[in-house]
Amino acid sequence: AQKVTQAQTEISVVEKEDVTLDCVYETRDTTYYLFWYKQPPSGELVFLIRRNSFDEQNEISGRYSWNFQKSTSSFNFTITASQVVDSAVYFCALRNLQGGSEKLVFGKGTKLTVNP
Amino acid sequence: NAGVTQTPKFQVLKTGQSMTLQCAQDMNHEYMSWYRQDPGMGLRLIHYSVGAGITDQGEVPNGYNVSRSTTEDFPLRLLSAAPSQTSVYFCASRRRGGGKRVEAFFGQGTRLTVV
Repeated sequence: AQKVTQAQTEISVVEKEDVTLDCVYETRDTTYYLFWYKQPPSGELVFLIRRNSFDEQNEISGRYSWNFQKSTSSFNFTITASQVVDSAVYFCALRNLQGGSEKLVFGKGTKLTVNP
Repeated sequence: NAGVTQTPKFQVLKTGQSMTLQCAQDMNHEYMSWYRQDPGMGLRLIHYSVGAGITDQGEVPNGYNVSRSTTEDFPLRLLSAAPSQTSVYFCASRRRGGGKRVEAFFGQGTRLTVV
């Protein structure tokens, strides 16, 4: 079974605070990809990052960073010095590659509100 | 490139009506999918296609039909709309293969209300 859990339903921070969005996944496959997507109030889905199961290197892109730990099945997302424009719903997602599955399994999302 | 284009953006249907949500992509992607997004539920896969003429069911296929006659288009048909189908629908496409190709490109979404 595949499952993605984003335990934080809503988070509210003040601008310039750091914030971490948690993502825990379950899969029996050894080959899989993890993703983060951003959904701003306008509604579109914006791809942020892809990480495969063989690459546990953390990644930093500007104010964004991701921490992938297979030992805890987690793929957490940190925004440093948050800004109002970061306000959005953030989704973590999982795609297994074994068996030819096309299914992208999403978490329920975390709504982040950054207040000025 | 326009990417993934969905039409219409908004639609209101009466219970029992049928309609087709359109999805087109101009990236020559082999794989296309339809998801629905409901409050507090994330996105769930309805149907997908791995190439022209090939479709398969996802997690929540009941009440929907799809076909894929061309690489570019993947319409989603609601046969007899029900209030439970009120949702935001997203179409996605990607290239076949691993690595960077696993990244899905999403359309802007269609907000459907069934009354």
